[in-house]
Amino acid sequence: EDQVTQSPEALRLQEGESSSLNCSYTVSGLRGLFWYRQDPGKGPEFLFTLYSAGEEKEKERLKATLTKKESFLHITAPKPEDSATYLCAVHSNDYKLSFGAGTTVTVRA
Amino acid sequence: EPEVTQTPSHQVTQMGQEVILRCVPISNHLYFYWYRQILGQKVEFLVSFYNNEISEKSEIFDDQFSVERPDGSNFTLKIRSTKLEDSAMYFCASSDDGTGVLKLFFGSGTQLSVL
Repeated sequence: EDQVTQSPEALRLQEGESSSLNCSYTVSGLRGLFWYRQDPGKGPEFLFTLYSAGEEKEKERLKATLTKKESFLHITAPKPEDSATYLCAVHSNDYKLSFGAGTTVTVRA
Repeated sequence: EPEVTQTPSHQVTQMGQEVILRCVPISNHLYFYWYRQILGQKVEFLVSFYNNEISEKSEIFDDQFSVERPDGSNFTLKIRSTKLEDSAMYFCASSDDGTGVLKLFFGSGTQLSVL
């Protein structure tokens, strides 16, 4: 069974204070690792797909990296609008994604 | 930008009643999914659907659940006799590739409350 663990559970940041979120995973064969953003009462919004160790993807203030056992989502100089829950999910050898519990990020102005 | 549309956004029902949750996937997508999220818990897989058949289902997706694509645009989840523990946010998702790397696009969800 695929296992996805995210840490920390919650992160409170000052505007401009950079930080990183962690996603560690155990899968039988990784096809892809995904980062999603989820706002309260909404569905997950796709951010990135990472396929292999060493890969990096960037979008505005977000940068995702991947190793063989974990992924990091770096938030550089965050703004209040970056406040959300960030979900990590893995796709291995079947038709589903397995999600972590998420990290709730709050950015104060 | 194309999006997955779900209706209703909120559904309140009595225990034992049947509910149907509706979804309109992105138009050129062929693979469809239902996930759910109980308040404060992880997003959980329920079922995947392709070519008018269930591809995979989780242990949660028991005989009380069914899915259907009644026409070329809608995808529905039916819960035959709701239980209190079915209260959750239900998300529909779709993708254009179900055999490679899954890149799912999610709807905004239906909040189901079973009283």
